[in-house]
Amino acid sequence: GDSVTQMEGPVTLSEEAFLTINCTYTATGYPSLFWYVQYPGEGLQLLLKATKADDKGSNKGFEATYRKETTSFHLEKGSVQVSDSAVYFCALSDRTNAGKSTFGDGTTLTVKP
Amino acid sequence: DTEVTQTPKHLVMGMTNKKSLKCEQHMGHRAMYWYKQKAKKPPELMFVYSYEKLSINESVPSRFSPECPNSSLLNLHLHALQPEDSALYLCASSQQKVGGVGTEAFFGQGTRLTVV
Repeated sequence: GDSVTQMEGPVTLSEEAFLTINCTYTATGYPSLFWYVQYPGEGLQLLLKATKADDKGSNKGFEATYRKETTSFHLEKGSVQVSDSAVYFCALSDRTNAGKSTFGDGTTLTVKP
Repeated sequence: DTEVTQTPKHLVMGMTNKKSLKCEQHMGHRAMYWYKQKAKKPPELMFVYSYEKLSINESVPSRFSPECPNSSLLNLHLHALQPEDSALYLCASSQQKVGGVGTEAFFGQGTRLTVV
């Protein structure tokens, strides 16, 4: 079945540091890939997405590139802010699976001033 | 309107109570989902409705009973819950096109459920 593996957390960074959160996937089909963010006490929000190989998703300074050859979708940001502190989930959705999403375990990011 | 609205935001219920969680979306999405999320864990899929029909039930206990009255509404009826059912319950929706690319889910803010 489909699966998503995220780097283990938590991750603690100083403001303006560079962020990378690794994500790799296994899928039988040709999935779309997503990063969701969850702030404390809230639901999940889509951060960015990519639907085919070599696509780059970007939003709010975050980027991730769909790498089919390495089955990866790593999240990066050049300069994090305190307001980026949240839990980040990598996920995939396969067109053959009723649209359901498969999530990684999540990575908690804390950014200190 | 790109919102999924869930009510109530918080719910405390006893183990003998019957309550319902409600979810509404007006994006024309034909797939709707219930997820359960425990603290510091990813969401766990419970049910999927596709075109108002239940298409996936992930072996959820019968004390959870989903209902999809129409294409915009999704309910989750709760009865005789256990303390371990305390969690954040998330509703989501997505477009669903047969043979189309996998699409993102739009999540509600969730209902924080406490069973006492």
